[in-house]
Amino acid sequence: AQSVTQPDIHITVSEGASLELRCNYSYGATPYLFWYVQSPGQGLQLLLKYFSGDTLVQGIKGFEAEFKRSQSSFNLRKPSVHWSDAAEYFCAVGAGGEAAGNKLTFGGGTRVLVKP
Amino acid sequence: DGGITQSPKYLFRKEGQNVTLSCEQNLNHDAMYWYRQDPGQGLRLIYYSQIVNDFQKGDIAEGYSVSREKKESFPLTVTSAQKNPTAFYLCASSSTRWNNSPLHFGNGTRLTVT
Repeated sequence: AQSVTQPDIHITVSEGASLELRCNYSYGATPYLFWYVQSPGQGLQLLLKYFSGDTLVQGIKGFEAEFKRSQSSFNLRKPSVHWSDAAEYFCAVGAGGEAAGNKLTFGGGTRVLVKP
Repeated sequence: DGGITQSPKYLFRKEGQNVTLSCEQNLNHDAMYWYRQDPGQGLRLIYYSQIVNDFQKGDIAEGYSVSREKKESFPLTVTSAQKNPTAFYLCASSSTRWNNSPLHFGNGTRLTVT
């Protein structure tokens, strides 16, 4: 069965500093990987996704993520955070294929706080 | 604008009562999903539907029921059999049944049962 681990429950970062959120997955084949962001009381918005090809993926809002097969990781990064980046971030993995449908397995989330 | 509408945003019920959460989408998506979100546990899949008149159990389906009579609608009923119904419920849809097209989420319904 697939699983996703986000080791950091909370991260506090100063505005303008860089941010890296960790994501480790467990899946037998090539995974489909996603990062979503959730503002308080809202739904989730897709930041970026990786299916194949270039292992460095660019997303919206200045975020990027790097797929490292050898480490089973898909870490999210942003060079300089803005106060509006304060939110909860979720990594997710999908199995692919008709039988699996589009079911995703989500990590527990990392809440990001931005200090002025 | 296309999107997913969940209503109501907040819902309060007494223990022992069934309650139905609404989810409507106008994105013309085939697949729809219900997730439950609890603090620190991420999202867990309750039910999903890949086509009209068909749906499958997710990881935590006990105490829940769904229907998919129309492509646009996928209501979730939280029954009195659900032991811990208080949670934030998120509905999502995707354009295809597979190939991991991204999920589009509604803004959620926060259910409180006392």
